[in-house]
Amino acid sequence: KAGVTQTPRYLIKTRGQQVTLSCSPISGHRSVSWYQQTPGQGLQFLFEYFSETQRNKGNFPGRFSGRQFSNSRSEMNVSTLELGDSALYLCASSLGLAGGLSNEQFFGPGTRLTVL
Amino acid sequence: AQSVSQHNHHVILSEAASLELGCNYSYGGTVNLFWYVQYPGQHLQLLLKYFSGDPLVKGIKGFEAEFIKSKFSFNLRKPSVQWSDTAEYFCAVNDGRAGSARQLTFGSGTQLTVLP
Repeated sequence: KAGVTQTPRYLIKTRGQQVTLSCSPISGHRSVSWYQQTPGQGLQFLFEYFSETQRNKGNFPGRFSGRQFSNSRSEMNVSTLELGDSALYLCASSLGLAGGLSNEQFFGPGTRLTVL
Repeated sequence: AQSVSQHNHHVILSEAASLELGCNYSYGGTVNLFWYVQYPGQHLQLLLKYFSGDPLVKGIKGFEAEFIKSKFSFNLRKPSVQWSDTAEYFCAVNDGRAGSARQLTFGSGTQLTVLP
């Protein structure tokens, strides 16, 4: 079974631009979560989507948004990029149903975003 | 809000030494507990998980962890480390509260360096 895939793997943008990252979950997984990883703040939860609906949201500004499509693929968008948005953005998928085991999350390789 | 503490930021061991990495969490209710590992240049991989049952859980590559509810702890152990265990280790928790069951809260990570 293929794992979680993320595209692109690397991105370089300048301040003020916007960026869209993509995530394809493991086949059969309906939940997609996004995390930001930085040396200073560590791994922080951004949001989670299930069946095209945002179910959970972390403490990030509205510049960070996402969506999920009917095939469970998800995109994350960051508008008006700031230097501090430079990070590794990780996507994780899970079955997303009630119950512990279905919440086990499988991570993709991440997209490394550099903002200049 | 849930918080997770990893007490050791950097651990240096010689091969064959025993390892114990500490992890404490704050929420007193039902929790799911995880240890993830991130090898250099690779994505996060699940080492082991605890949902319920036997508090001593065994994972991949000879790792194990013990859930001690009274201490809010989930420490990772390995009796004899290898050079290939050099990596960053993350403890993560999600809890059963509405809206957060699929939101992983991570500790700050412990960088393990194993000297040959």
